[in-house]
Amino acid sequence: GEQVEQLPSILRVQEGSSASINCSYEDSASNYFPWYKQEPGENPKLIIDIRSNMERKQIQELIVLLDKKAKRFSLHITDTQPGDSAMYFCAVEGASSSFSKLVFGQGTSLSVVP
Amino acid sequence: GPKVLQIPSHQIIDMGQMVTLNCDPVSNHLYFYWYKQILGQQMEFLVNFYNGKVMEKSKLFKDQFSVERPDGSYFTLKIQPTALEDSAVYFCASSSHAEQFFGPGTRLTVL
Repeated sequence: GEQVEQLPSILRVQEGSSASINCSYEDSASNYFPWYKQEPGENPKLIIDIRSNMERKQIQELIVLLDKKAKRFSLHITDTQPGDSAMYFCAVEGASSSFSKLVFGQGTSLSVVP
Repeated sequence: GPKVLQIPSHQIIDMGQMVTLNCDPVSNHLYFYWYKQILGQQMEFLVNFYNGKVMEKSKLFKDQFSVERPDGSYFTLKIQPTALEDSAVYFCASSSHAEQFFGPGTRLTVL
């Protein structure tokens, strides 16, 4: 089945700098790529998503880039704040079935230090 | 925003017992999902459900697992009998389109 690789697994950045997380996938028919933020003991919450008809999407300090040819997508958090510290998961909607299931990357633990 | 509720938040049971996890999905959503998350790992898809039927299940959805949503009430995941490796957080999700909304999870501990 679909596999999603996510790197890095751990990321530590200085407050105010940028953080980047990269994901790659296998199924070229995948067409929906959400990013979830999960804080300890909480449920994952959607923070931004992108569809295959777009290459770039920005919501405030969050930027997502999609390279369909390379089957890669990335999340960039600009001007990071301590509140951005959390686990981040990329996901890919499985295109092989009619009803969507999400295949998640392994997660990135982001720490923003003052 | 839309909220998915899950009951209970924690459940501790002995191996071999039956457990039912309950999910109250977003009211106008038609697609329902269960995911399993072991501590420190990513969510893994178990099953999705639409129009009263399982549409797809993963290899993690063992024969001991079953799902149903009787009469539009809770969407449930039943495990009978439970095994030690079933210990995890189980997240329910629901959607009307692509975006899936996740509940707060049920932490299941099998002793």
